[in-house]
Amino acid sequence: DAGVTQSPTHLIKTRGQQVTLRCSPKSGHDTVSWYQQALGQGPQFIFQYYEEEERQRGNFPDRFSGHQFPNYSSELNVNALLLGDSALYLCASSLRGTGLTDTQYFGPGTRLTVL
Amino acid sequence: AQSVAQPEDQVNVAEGNPLTVKCTYSVSGNPYLFWYVQYPNRGLQFLLKYITGDNLVKGSYGFEAEFNKSQTSFHLKKPSALVSDSALYFCAVRDINSGYSTLTFGKGTMLLVSP
Repeated sequence: DAGVTQSPTHLIKTRGQQVTLRCSPKSGHDTVSWYQQALGQGPQFIFQYYEEEERQRGNFPDRFSGHQFPNYSSELNVNALLLGDSALYLCASSLRGTGLTDTQYFGPGTRLTVL
Repeated sequence: AQSVAQPEDQVNVAEGNPLTVKCTYSVSGNPYLFWYVQYPNRGLQFLLKYITGDNLVKGSYGFEAEFNKSQTSFHLKKPSALVSDSALYFCAVRDINSGYSTLTFGKGTMLLVSP
């Protein structure tokens, strides 16, 4: 049973560039959430996708956008990169419809470095 | 708004001794509470969760956590620590009254178990 997978593992970009990160959820899961984990901090919620729509969004600017595909996989896009966007980006998958008792399972993350 | 506090940046314990990692939370409604562990350069791994019922929750790898509503705490415990337990531990909360399944994390506590 494959867990949550993310690609790429590492990424180096320069300020102003755009980046796309990818996530495949755990088998049987239909909901994908994205988190940003800055160095020395806990993960911060970016947004959540279910049924190909953004269902909830954290306190992140519009430069952060996403997409969910029919096979439940998801992408996170960040435009106009800033130095402060350097972080570990974590994808978590879960199964919706469990009365908010669902457990989110995390992927290994993508380490983004902005120079 | 919901929040989580992990008052200790680091906890040091000798192998074989009991360990406790502290967590307090704040939510407007009833909480669902989670513990995750993160090993270096890895994503978050689910340990246990409190949804309802018994205040003592048992999880993976011999860990357990005690929910205390009056003290708004959810401390992680293990009777006998192993060197391999050394990692970064995150407490997270979900406010079930918010209607959303996203998680709010604490800043994390580094657990160091010495041989």
